Amino acid sequence: DTAVSQTPKYLVTQMGNDKSIKCEQNLGHDTMYWYKQDSKKFLKIMFSYNNKELIINETVPNRFSPKSPDKAHLNLHINSLELGDSAVYFCASSQHQRLFFGSGTQLSVL
Amino acid sequence: GESVGLHLPTLSVQEGDNSIINCAYSNSASDYFIWYKQESGKGPQFIIDIRSNMDKRQGQRVTVLLNKTVKHLSLQIAATQPGDSAVYFCAERSNTGNQFYFGTGTSLTVIP
Repeated sequence: DTAVSQTPKYLVTQMGNDKSIKCEQNLGHDTMYWYKQDSKKFLKIMFSYNNKELIINETVPNRFSPKSPDKAHLNLHINSLELGDSAVYFCASSQHQRLFFGSGTQLSVL
Repeated sequence: GESVGLHLPTLSVQEGDNSIINCAYSNSASDYFIWYKQESGKGPQFIIDIRSNMDKRQGQRVTVLLNKTVKHLSLQIAATQPGDSAVYFCAERSNTGNQFYFGTGTSLTVIP
């Protein structure tokens, strides 16, 4: 069983479109995250949710809206996609200790 | 911080040699540190962790050293193997919450 799973793995779309990435964890963790990894492999935290409540929003444009329907799910919706949004997006979860990552969603905005 | 202007550091080692990967962290209040390995096309995977009240921790073929005076972490890999080729990240956790911040990463290439 995959501990942290995110879909889709690849997402290719046009500028201006709206898209969503879904994430689910079956580890029973209270905290979930979204990270963005750019072409230089730099991993930057975007959001952190604890028990469905937003804890961190790290200077992310408001075109990005996370939604946590329950503590096992944290989805990321992106409005009006821009070229600079192209990156790999990772979902992760933790319970005070190490982070467990999903396999990533490679977003390409054309 | 932003990645603009930063390049991914690289390290090449001969198979069988030891590797040392270094990381400088930013927050003297961080209480927990982790090393991650990221293979191509995959998410980062946990290697080893260390708490701020320790200065050394050993795992299987890996050792993490923590120097809080200069805010420096290192990962030592013994007898490096081709399967160790990956990008390695250090991460620090702020003691004010369950937030993890990552370093730039180092790309390790093992030469057979």
